[in-house]
Amino acid sequence: EMGLTQSPGTLSLSPGERATLSCRASQRASNSYLTWYQQKPAQAPRLLIYGTSRRATGVPARFSGSGSGTDFTLTISSLEPEDVAVYYCQYYGNSPPLTFGGGTRVEIK
Amino acid sequence: QVQLQESGPGLVKPSQTLSLTCSVSNGSFNDDENFWSWLRQSPGKGLEWIGFINYRGTTIFNPSLKSRISISLDPSKNQFFLRMTSMTAADTAVYYCATWGPNWTFDPWGQGTLVTVSS
Repeated sequence: EMGLTQSPGTLSLSPGERATLSCRASQRASNSYLTWYQQKPAQAPRLLIYGTSRRATGVPARFSGSGSGTDFTLTISSLEPEDVAVYYCQYYGNSPPLTFGGGTRVEIK
Repeated sequence: QVQLQESGPGLVKPSQTLSLTCSVSNGSFNDDENFWSWLRQSPGKGLEWIGFINYRGTTIFNPSLKSRISISLDPSKNQFFLRMTSMTAADTAVYYCATWGPNWTFDPWGQGTLVTVSS
């Protein structure tokens, strides 16, 4: 059964700093099926990155995704105040069909 | 741009059945590439996929919830539905509907509706 572990649980950084969020899969994962969502306070999640590294429509270029195998990363190159949110990775597989990580909360110092 | 809107009771008693509706606008409800999805998020917790249905009526459920849920649709009204039986306090959550599309992603999402299970 596929599991996704996100770390750290909370990331507290200053504006302009680089944020690196990790999503580790319990089994080897296909790049095509690894997705990242952003959930701002009191809002529904929003698609951010799909296929490991493809930005969704309207997503700023400071957001990028990378990785392969069991280790995937979401990077925010220069943190903006509006990036305060919880970020979730998600994988589409066989068992179970859809899994989410526990999320990483990004805060501004 | 497809838009989704959840509706249903905000309060359900323990052991009762939850019924939610998702209304879809500006979308191709009979698009073969889309699965119409339900997810939930317990207070302060992460996201959980519940299940989805395509316009042909094919459903796929989260194995952990499969015995308690059914999902159906009414293409004539551009609506799909969630029914969850034997509700308990552990089912208290914000319930979202969303589109599962060709990029293996949930996009877009409805705004969510809070369901509280309490007597």
